[in-house]
Amino acid sequence: GAGVSQSPRYKVAKRGQDVALRCDPISGHVSLFWYQQALGQGPEFLTYFQNEAQLDKSGLPSDRFFAERPEGSVSTLKIQRTQQEDSAVYLCASSLPRVRQKPYNEQFFGPGTRLTVL
Amino acid sequence: RKEVEQDPGPFNVPEGATVAFNCTYSNSASQSFFWYRQDCRKEPKLLMSVYSSGNEDGRFTAQLNRASQYISLLIRDSKLSDSATYLCVGTGFQKLVFGTGTRLLVSP
Repeated sequence: GAGVSQSPRYKVAKRGQDVALRCDPISGHVSLFWYQQALGQGPEFLTYFQNEAQLDKSGLPSDRFFAERPEGSVSTLKIQRTQQEDSAVYLCASSLPRVRQKPYNEQFFGPGTRLTVL
Repeated sequence: RKEVEQDPGPFNVPEGATVAFNCTYSNSASQSFFWYRQDCRKEPKLLMSVYSSGNEDGRFTAQLNRASQYISLLIRDSKLSDSATYLCVGTGFQKLVFGTGTRLLVSP
């Protein structure tokens, strides 16, 4: 079946531009996560949705970062006035609610969007 | 200090070797632990879960020591296809907390 898809796969932005990154989770997965992975580092948590509710946005690095999931399916991560330090791979993951997966809630990752800010 | 710490490597081993990776975590409230594998320019994929009782899957064995807050991964009879970055992962509330990753290079 279809996995998590993300678009675009690659994005080059000039410093100061706004960008929007899209994530299509696995059908039926109510939980959706965004992570940021800088070169040579592990992924870092950004934000988490359960259905359309954003339950945790503690990892968003600044108020330039905004995420939404208005209908509880597709999610968009928006970065305003991009800076060079925003250059990274942005990974989206989805999972079923923990109660339906025992003993753990495996997160399935999309291929990521590689953002380069010049 | 990062919540999950691991040696970045790289570990260079010949085919057939046994290699062990270690990882420590600082959040004693973490409930679940995993090893994820990430190939170059690809997304992370779950390799295996880690339990206090140990977890074996073919050539891979994972172990959790809660008292020492220490996690290990053992790979026996290394294959060329095992070359990848291995990410030690803990859990916060719903989210995954990743280590930096340990790079493994298996050579002929």
